Amino acid sequence: KAGVTQTPRYLIKTRGQQVTLSCSPISGHRSVSWYQQTPGQGLQFLFEYFSETQRNKGNFPGRFSGRQFSNSRSEMNVSTLELGDSALYLCASSFVAGGYEQYFGPGTRLTVT
Amino acid sequence: AQRVTQPEKLLSVFKGAPVELKCNYSYSGSPELFWYVQYSRQRLQLLLRHISRESIKGFTADLNKGETSFHLKKPFAQEEDSAMYYCALRSGGYNKLIFGAGTRLAVHP
Repeated sequence: KAGVTQTPRYLIKTRGQQVTLSCSPISGHRSVSWYQQTPGQGLQFLFEYFSETQRNKGNFPGRFSGRQFSNSRSEMNVSTLELGDSALYLCASSFVAGGYEQYFGPGTRLTVT
Repeated sequence: AQRVTQPEKLLSVFKGAPVELKCNYSYSGSPELFWYVQYSRQRLQLLLRHISRESIKGFTADLNKGETSFHLKKPFAQEEDSAMYYCALRSGGYNKLIFGAGTRLAVHP
């Protein structure tokens, strides 16, 4: 079974621009979660989607948004990029919530200049 | 507030020595705790969870609700155990994980 895939793997953007990151979950998984990883703040939960609905949201500004499609693929968008948005963005998929293991993707490394 | 604390950024041991990676949590309710591991140039992966009470790669972790701890232990460290270890708490009924800052385990020959 193919693992969680994330595209692109690396991205360089300029302050003020917007960016869209993509995550394809493991086949059959319906839950997709996003995390931001930085050296200063560590791993922080962004949001979770299940059956195209956002079920949970972390403490991030409204510039961070996401969506999930009917095939469970998910995208996250960051608008008006700031230098502090430079991070590794991880996606994790799970069959459903409640005791099922989450499988993480390799991440997208976003650099904002 | 829900929080996971891993007090050590780095734990350095010699091969064959016992290992204990500390994790303390703050959570109002029944916690569900996990240990995740990230080996060099690999993705984050689940090592073990408290509800399964199993031993993976020789590692065990016991949930101590009185001390609000979920320390990871291994009696004899191996060089291949060198990695970044994250303790995590699942919040609510969904898949939100609250991670600790992580502890880098370095096992020297």
